[in-house]
Amino acid sequence: GAVVSQHPSRVICKSGTSVKIECRSLDFQATTMFWYRQFPKQSLMLMATSNEGSKATYEQGVEKDKFLINHASLTLSTLTVTSAHPEDSSFYICSATRTGAPYEQYFGPGTRLTVT
Amino acid sequence: SQQGEEDPQALSIQEGENATMNCSYKTSINNLQWYRQNSGRGLVHLILIRSNEREKHSGRLRVTLDTSKKSSSLLITASRAADTASYFCATDAGYGGATNKLIFGTGTLLAVQP
Repeated sequence: GAVVSQHPSRVICKSGTSVKIECRSLDFQATTMFWYRQFPKQSLMLMATSNEGSKATYEQGVEKDKFLINHASLTLSTLTVTSAHPEDSSFYICSATRTGAPYEQYFGPGTRLTVT
Repeated sequence: SQQGEEDPQALSIQEGENATMNCSYKTSINNLQWYRQNSGRGLVHLILIRSNEREKHSGRLRVTLDTSKKSSSLLITASRAADTASYFCATDAGYGGATNKLIFGTGTLLAVQP
């Protein structure tokens, strides 16, 4: 149990376009979902925390107008990178916590975004 | 930056040997967790140790926590080639409410040679 999926696994887009990444909890209801980005050979940096039905909380330095997060249901959160630029190329990973068990995060497999 | 630090950054050992990775952090914590990441993949949760615990075991994993030194170590015994991965510590400072943010360390890249 506690499987989190991400779609797509890889995406290549042109500079200036927008791309949407989906994060789904497949077999549990996710109270909270987190979005991270990871540069090559580096650690994960938390971008934002989202709770179903409310606005996401962004970490300092993360542009909320550029990285739009929608947490429309207890099993789905989306991250839209708007007007993407090559410097947005990264590995984006989501995680989710279960209701009543906030201490363990279940991670998705990640999405590799390349902006050309 | 609140990010924790891990050492070594990279570790190469032979199959059957033990691997020890260390993590230091900066703030008070509720718990500390260790994760594993295979190249280009998501993270897998290995073990969680609470701030009032000093040592915890899970299979071939042994984790210690010293809150006075703000440090933790992960020991993998009798390593296997399949243990090759990056290992991250993550601290949960409990910023309030039911949403506990994790701050990840810089990671240790472990290579186990067959």
